Amino acid sequence: DVVMTQSPLSLPVTLGQPASISCRSSQSLVYSDGNTYLNWFQQRPGQSPRRLIYEVSNRDPGVPDRFSGSGSGADFTLKISRVEAEDLGIYYCLQGSHWPYTFGQGTKLEMK
Amino acid sequence: DVQLVESGGGLVQPGVSLRLSCGASGFTFSNYYMTWVRHIPGKGLEWVANIGPDGSEKYYVESLKGRFTISRDNAKNSLYLQMRSLRAEDTAIYYCARDTGRRTIDHWGQGTLVTVSS
Repeated sequence: DVVMTQSPLSLPVTLGQPASISCRSSQSLVYSDGNTYLNWFQQRPGQSPRRLIYEVSNRDPGVPDRFSGSGSGADFTLKISRVEAEDLGIYYCLQGSHWPYTFGQGTKLEMK
Repeated sequence: DVQLVESGGGLVQPGVSLRLSCGASGFTFSNYYMTWVRHIPGKGLEWVANIGPDGSEKYYVESLKGRFTISRDNAKNSLYLQMRSLRAEDTAIYYCARDTGRRTIDHWGQGTLVTVSS
């Protein structure tokens, strides 16, 4: 199975400051159709996960533009340009390029 | 709005069977792949199984093949997960999710907690 490794696992942040989460896969996520199926999800306390980003860099409808995804191959990043209080929670990456699809361990974004 | 509502979780003893259900609304259920994902305490998220729009395609994570069965009833807009020979390590929140068919999930239910303990 493809192992997804997120870092850091805990990210203390200051509101209004940027934040960045890394996700690395144990093999390339470029699928045979040329697409890269790397997603990012946010899980706020007490809520189900919500998708933010699909195929590396495409934001879902309603996701603020302070969230951006980037990367290629086996190395990906989720960036928040200016953290707001509503962004606190756990962030997961998910790869859909290889079966079984696998998640990262999660990064907890919390107040410094 | 897309809504997915799971039910059927609870506290069960090791070795028993349990069937989870997921009721879907707000979209044409029969057009979509559907998925079960679980969140194991302290271990994170694990993709459990997928099923194709007409139920003919089914995919399972290898470690659960043979014990878990995914199914659907498009007439009832419902997704199911039959779990057999439950073990303590199956304790998790089980989420029903809509698979877009492009190797990702775009909507999740609220989850149902399954606790396996004697």
